[in-house]
Amino acid sequence: GQNIDQPTEMTATEGAIVQINCTYQTSGFNGLFWYQQHAGEAPTFLSYNVLDGLEEKGRFSSFLSRSKGYSYLLLKELQMKDSASYLCAVTGYNQGGKLIFGQGTELSVKP
Amino acid sequence: KAGVTQTPRYLIKTRGQQVTLSCSPISGHRSVSWYQQTPGQGLQFLFEYFSETQRNKGNFPGRFSGRQFSNSRSEMNVSTLELGDSALYLCASSLDRDGNNEQFFGPGTRLTVL
Repeated sequence: GQNIDQPTEMTATEGAIVQINCTYQTSGFNGLFWYQQHAGEAPTFLSYNVLDGLEEKGRFSSFLSRSKGYSYLLLKELQMKDSASYLCAVTGYNQGGKLIFGQGTELSVKP
Repeated sequence: KAGVTQTPRYLIKTRGQQVTLSCSPISGHRSVSWYQQTPGQGLQFLFEYFSETQRNKGNFPGRFSGRQFSNSRSEMNVSTLELGDSALYLCASSLDRDGNNEQFFGPGTRLTVL
């Protein structure tokens, strides 16, 4: 089976750094996605990790450890507009467009 | 480049009816996936179509079906609607070539079953 865990909600302060963790158990793991979803909107792509290590993209970075079944999304210099749900999703080898999503982490950024 | 479009954006149906939702992928994208999003279950994979064939399927009952046309546009159908089918239905497309399977989501269709 497949299981993906991430915290339900987190709160952080504007200008700070926040780390959102995601652990997964899945057979035939191929890669891990992070998406951002604002209330009432579609999810938007943030990052895709296949190999171990850290991928940095502006204020957002994503880390993957395949051996530990663990990923995190790091958001720096938080802004109010970063308040959203952050979704972790895994894809399996030869699974094409099939993504298995975690429940999402609702991040609230306070002034 | 136009994004993924879905029609209709909102729909209200009653139990027992059927519904058809439409998705037009980004031009050139060959894969179309459908997801159901509810507050309790989160985003759940329904099925994926590639080159007019269902390539992957989630764990939904047979009342949920779909198809893809030669221009990559896709439709999903839900028959004999139940109250629990009320959800946001999201469609996502991807290029799915050379290892690029980043999925781009449409705005969704909000289905309410009364």
